[in-house]
Amino acid sequence: GAVVSQHPSWVICKSGTSVKIECRSLDFQATTMFWYRQFPKQSLMLMATSNEGSKATYEQGVEKDKFLINHASLTLSTLTVTSAHPEDSSFYICSAALAGAGGDTQYFGPGTRLTVL
Amino acid sequence: AQKVTQAQTEISVVEKEDVTLDCVYETRDTTYYLFWYKQPPSGELVFLIRRNSFDEQNEISGRYSWNFQKSTSSFNFTITASQVVDSAVYFCALPLLRQGAQKLVFGQGTRLTINP
Repeated sequence: GAVVSQHPSWVICKSGTSVKIECRSLDFQATTMFWYRQFPKQSLMLMATSNEGSKATYEQGVEKDKFLINHASLTLSTLTVTSAHPEDSSFYICSAALAGAGGDTQYFGPGTRLTVL
Repeated sequence: AQKVTQAQTEISVVEKEDVTLDCVYETRDTTYYLFWYKQPPSGELVFLIRRNSFDEQNEISGRYSWNFQKSTSSFNFTITASQVVDSAVYFCALPLLRQGAQKLVFGQGTRLTINP
């Protein structure tokens, strides 16, 4: 149980184009999903918190207009990197929170490796 | 504020050795959870354990064991008889409740290499 999928697993795009990444909780409903970014050999950096049916909450320093997040249902959140540039190249990981007694547990997707040429 | 410190950046051991990964945390919360995740080379973070601050009993799951010491704010992870498949980056994490959501504060991770 508690499986999270992410699509695509990798993508290469040209500078200036937009890329959409999907995150799905396959066997549970998640009112909250999270988007992280990870640079090589570094820890995860939280970008935003996504709640179903409401606007995402972005961490300080993360451009809202650059990284558009939509959480249309209890099992799907999408991250769109708009007008991508080479510095946006990174590993993007989503997680979905499964509610439990006393608190949530985040289950992570397999990640999406974005390369912007 | 929540903070997680994993002082060991990299550890390398020979297969079958036991290895302990350290995690020290800071929190002002009186009750809280702690997590360990494993990130193998494929990149996906795999949930290993969630521990409640109420329960200081050691947890054992196969070759994995966790030692929670509230007095020293530590939640260390031991792999017994390590195997090459244990090679991964391991993250310790502590939730931070903010704006109604439980965000995770991660340590910097410990890269564990098990050599055959």
